[in-house]
Amino acid sequence: EPEVTQTPSHQVTQMGQEVILRCVPISNHLYFYWYRQILGQKVEFLVSFYNNEISEKSEIFDDQFSVERPDGSNFTLKIRSTKLEDSAMYFCASRPGPLGDTQYFGPGTRLTVL
Amino acid sequence: GQQLNQSPQSMFIQEGEDVSMNCTSSSIFNTWLWYKQDPGEGPVLLIALYKAGELTSNGRLTAQFGITRKDSFLNISASIPSDVGIYFCAGPANSGGSNYKLTFGKGTLLTVNP
Repeated sequence: EPEVTQTPSHQVTQMGQEVILRCVPISNHLYFYWYRQILGQKVEFLVSFYNNEISEKSEIFDDQFSVERPDGSNFTLKIRSTKLEDSAMYFCASRPGPLGDTQYFGPGTRLTVL
Repeated sequence: GQQLNQSPQSMFIQEGEDVSMNCTSSSIFNTWLWYKQDPGEGPVLLIALYKAGELTSNGRLTAQFGITRKDSFLNISASIPSDVGIYFCAGPANSGGSNYKLTFGKGTLLTVNP
């Protein structure tokens, strides 16, 4: 069964450093998302991406964040200058098409900012 | 924004017992999704509900979409130790367009005592 994959599974970085989190969505899906989950809290929406552009972003997704789909398979989240409070699990998700709300999540990347 | 309230926050049960948890909202949802999250993993879709009143089963799991479209419940029958995890309800936030960003509840932590 197709699944969303994410790399790395765990990323440790120093405050102020740039990180890039990578995702490979399910191949025929058209809508892509990033969510994050701070330890012990609920999953929160960050950004949605469709047709090679951001379709919506949350208040969390400030100028330090960017997303890109550099080729036909990868979907990346870049944090330009990490802060301590960026430490969280980051989940990529994808959805097939315009009809149907079901999103399929990847296993996540645990980001630890020191 | 839209909020989903899940209850109970946590449950501690004996293996073999049935479990019921629910999710309510102050606003209407057109889709209800139930996910399970194991520690350090991404949310895994259990059941998707698309119509008010719909009752759907997936093995020992049964979920219903409330007729008011403001609530849903998830039942697990004859619980087993591998049912341990956090169960989240989620629904597409009413943000317009077809982005379908998901709003998550805070989760129900289920512990099953063998």
